[in-house]
Amino acid sequence: GNSVTQMEGPVTLSEEAFLTINCTYTATGYPSLFWYVQYPGEGLQLLLKATKADDKGSNKGFEATYRKETTSFHLEKGSVQVSDSAVYFCALHVSNFGNEKLTFGTGTRLTIIP
Amino acid sequence: DTGVSQDPRHKITKRGQNVTFRCDPISEHNRLYWYRQTLGQGPEFLTYFQNEAQLEKSRLLSDRFSAERPKGSFSTLEIQRTEQGDSAMYLCASSASQGLGSPLHFGNGTRLTVT
Repeated sequence: GNSVTQMEGPVTLSEEAFLTINCTYTATGYPSLFWYVQYPGEGLQLLLKATKADDKGSNKGFEATYRKETTSFHLEKGSVQVSDSAVYFCALHVSNFGNEKLTFGTGTRLTIIP
Repeated sequence: DTGVSQDPRHKITKRGQNVTFRCDPISEHNRLYWYRQTLGQGPEFLTYFQNEAQLEKSRLLSDRFSAERPKGSFSTLEIQRTEQGDSAMYLCASSASQGLGSPLHFGNGTRLTVT
């Protein structure tokens, strides 16, 4: 089956620190990989995605590279801001007829302190 | 694009009562998903529609749960004879069936509390 394993949180960093949130996956077939973010009081939003090996997704200063050899999709940001405080979810999607669901990790709560 | 809307935002009910939630997807999206999220966990898939057809149901979806999307637009999720274990955030999402990695657009969810 398909599964996503995320770095356990919570993670607390100072503003301008470097961020890495680890994500590894197991999938039957060739997944597309996603990072979703959930800001306090808001719904899940797509942060970035990558649809094939070696693709790099990027948005709002965040990046993640689809590494097939290590089955990983780690999220990174060079300099975090207080506004990045949120819960981050890694997810995968394998498109097979009758199996179209997105499988999520458990989420990593990130808190940035000024 | 008005986004995915869910109603109500919050629902408190007594054990044994029936509840129904509504989801209005983004209008041009033909795929609609229901997920459940409990505290400290990621969203768990419940069911999925393509237009009006319900194509997949999770084993999490017991026979007390039923979902419909009668005209391929809005959807309802009904829980009969609610139990305390049903307390969770119920999320609806929609997507367009185009290409690899079509992202899901989520609503803000309906938080259910069963007392």
